[in-house]
Amino acid sequence: DAGVTQSPTHLIKTRGQQVTLRCSPISGHKSVSWYQQVLGQGPQFIFQYYEKEERGRGNFPDRFSARQFPNYSSELNVNALLLGDSALYLCASSHLPSGRDNEQFFGPGTRLTVL
Amino acid sequence: DQQVKQNSPSLSVQEGRISILNCDYTNSMFDYFLWYKKYPAEGPTFLISISSIKDKNEDGRFTVFLNKSAKHLSLHIVPSQPGDSAVYFCAATDSGTYKYIFGTGTRLKVLA
Repeated sequence: DAGVTQSPTHLIKTRGQQVTLRCSPISGHKSVSWYQQVLGQGPQFIFQYYEKEERGRGNFPDRFSARQFPNYSSELNVNALLLGDSALYLCASSHLPSGRDNEQFFGPGTRLTVL
Repeated sequence: DQQVKQNSPSLSVQEGRISILNCDYTNSMFDYFLWYKKYPAEGPTFLISISSIKDKNEDGRFTVFLNKSAKHLSLHIVPSQPGDSAVYFCAATDSGTYKYIFGTGTRLKVLA
């Protein structure tokens, strides 16, 4: 079975530009979460979507937005990029949005570099 | 405010010995805890989890212990293998919510 897939794998942008990252969850999973991991830190929660609705948002500015499509894939958009947005962006999928025995499975991530 | 802490950034262990990775948390609402392993250029891989109603969960070479009164959990790997060398993240969640809170990770190196 295919795991969580993300595209692109690497991306280089300049300050002020906009970027869109894509994620396809594991087949049958309806919940997608996005995390940002900067070097030396653990992943930080950005968004969760379940059944195409936003279920939660972390402490990130409005420059970050996301959506989930009818096939449960998801996009993360970041506008007006800053140098500090350089990070590994991880997508995770799960059957349900929360609860015990409902582990999130992560994709390989998209490495974003902002110059 | 770091709600989940992994105070050891790195750990080296001889092959065949036990590896013990530690994690502390501050939020008493957390009731589900997980360990993930991460290799370079890959996403975190789920290893093992434990609910707050248990104090131990075992899966093969991996055992997670939870001490609720101390707000502490640990991951034991026995015996350690060179392929276990990776960064290990502890994560916690309130199972009524939607997000995991991760620690900063511990880099484990298993020496052959």
